[in-house]
Amino acid sequence: AQRVTQPEKLLSVFKGAPVELKCNYSYSGSPELFWYVQYSRQRLQLLLRHISRESIKGFTADLNKGETSFHLKKPFAQEEDSAMYYCALWGQGAQKLVFGQGTRLTINP
Amino acid sequence: GAVVSQHPSWVICKSGTSVKIECRSLDFQATTMFWYRQFPKQSLMLMATSNEGSKATYEQGVEKDKFLINHASLTLSTLTVTSAHPEDSSFYICSAPDGTGDTEAFFGQGTRLTVV
Repeated sequence: AQRVTQPEKLLSVFKGAPVELKCNYSYSGSPELFWYVQYSRQRLQLLLRHISRESIKGFTADLNKGETSFHLKKPFAQEEDSAMYYCALWGQGAQKLVFGQGTRLTINP
Repeated sequence: GAVVSQHPSWVICKSGTSVKIECRSLDFQATTMFWYRQFPKQSLMLMATSNEGSKATYEQGVEKDKFLINHASLTLSTLTVTSAHPEDSSFYICSAPDGTGDTEAFFGQGTRLTVV
């Protein structure tokens, strides 16, 4: 079975502070990990994925297979980063995308 | 990016009636689409995988007779909530990969179903 856990439902930080959204996964095969974001009144959209290894809007995420984690990080938060963030896992065997519980990030001015 | 559109965006129906939600891929062909349900302030729960030309694959605990899925063409999947009850009220979201073999999911805007 594939499972994604985001331990923090809510996260609030001040503008300019570092941000880390935690994500842990469980999957017996080789996973593909994603972070999706949902801004207010918008649909879900891809933020980044582990295979691209790129930084999007200042966010990065590294897949740590030893710790089965894919934490999302940004060194300096901006107010426009306030949104709902979902970690997701695509299982090659099951061919489906499963989401974590989501973390609502609020950046305070 | 690929565009997925859902219709309607919101619907109110009476208990006992059925309601159909459409999910369309506007600029690509989708052999597979996914249906999710989202409870308030909770995550997206995968309900089923819709396969063009064949039966949908339902997740454990999802009643296939309650949530009928039809994927009759490469651009349209429908979810019909049959004999709806207030506990079926929720936000339903569909998604699809863009058909290139890439695993990125493109999401519809969601449908808010309220059963009264």
